[in-house]
Amino acid sequence: AQSVTQLGSHVSVSEGALVLLRCNYSSSVPPYLFWYVQYPNQGLQLLLKYTSAATLVKGINGFEAEFKKSETSFHLTKPSAHMSDAAEYFCAVSDRMGGGNQFYFGTGTSLTVIP
Amino acid sequence: GAGVSQSPRYKVAKRGQDVALRCDPISGHVSLFWYQQALGQGPEFLTYFQNEAQLDKSGLPSDRFFAERPEGSVSTLKIQRTQQEDSAVYLCASGTSGGFTDTQYFGPGTRLTVL
Repeated sequence: AQSVTQLGSHVSVSEGALVLLRCNYSSSVPPYLFWYVQYPNQGLQLLLKYTSAATLVKGINGFEAEFKKSETSFHLTKPSAHMSDAAEYFCAVSDRMGGGNQFYFGTGTSLTVIP
Repeated sequence: GAGVSQSPRYKVAKRGQDVALRCDPISGHVSLFWYQQALGQGPEFLTYFQNEAQLDKSGLPSDRFFAERPEGSVSTLKIQRTQQEDSAVYLCASGTSGGFTDTQYFGPGTRLTVL
C-alpha cells in the first residue's frame, strides 16, 4: 500500500517569499502524485499532477513540483507567495500497481502568508 | 458550468440515527469518489464508482456504511446507526474518464456531527 507524508502541518512565509511544502511518498514503484489545495469552506482543487512524463510539473497559480525518485519526494514550490495562497495543501498518491484503486492523501499543510 | 454539489452541507444526528448524504457530480462524469475527512486530517478514501458500478468499497469503515449510484449520476452515502466516531466531513468527487489517475473535482463536503 502507498502512503504519503507531509512534513510540517503549518508553514508560514512572508508575502513575496519562496513557498516550499514538502511531500514524501513510500512506494517501490513510482506512483501518480498530486497536489490539491483547499480554501476555507470550499472543495479541494487540483494544483498539479505527475503521471510519469516530465519530472518538473507546472500547475496553476504559479505552483510547480518536482518528482525526485531517488528521494521519493514531490515537494511543492512557488517562487513568490501571495496573500491569496493562504490555504490547506494536500499531497496525494495513486497506486498504479497490483490493481489497487485507492487514493491516499497526506495529512495536509496549512500555509499562512504574512503581509 | 456547475461543479460538484453536495447536500446537506451540514447535518447533525443523534447517535443511532440513520443519515443519507447526497452527491451530484458534474454532468457526464464517469467516476465518482467518496472520502471521509476527520478534523485536522487528510481525506480518506471510502468508495469509488465508475458509472453505476461500485468498483471499490474497501475504504468503508464498517457495514453501517453503504453507498449507491443507481443510475450512474447522483450518489448517496448512507450511514446507519450513526456513532460519534462517524463525525467528519464527507467529500464527494467526480472525474471525467474513470480511475484514480484522473483529475478529481471535489464538492464542498457535508459536515456530519453525531451527538
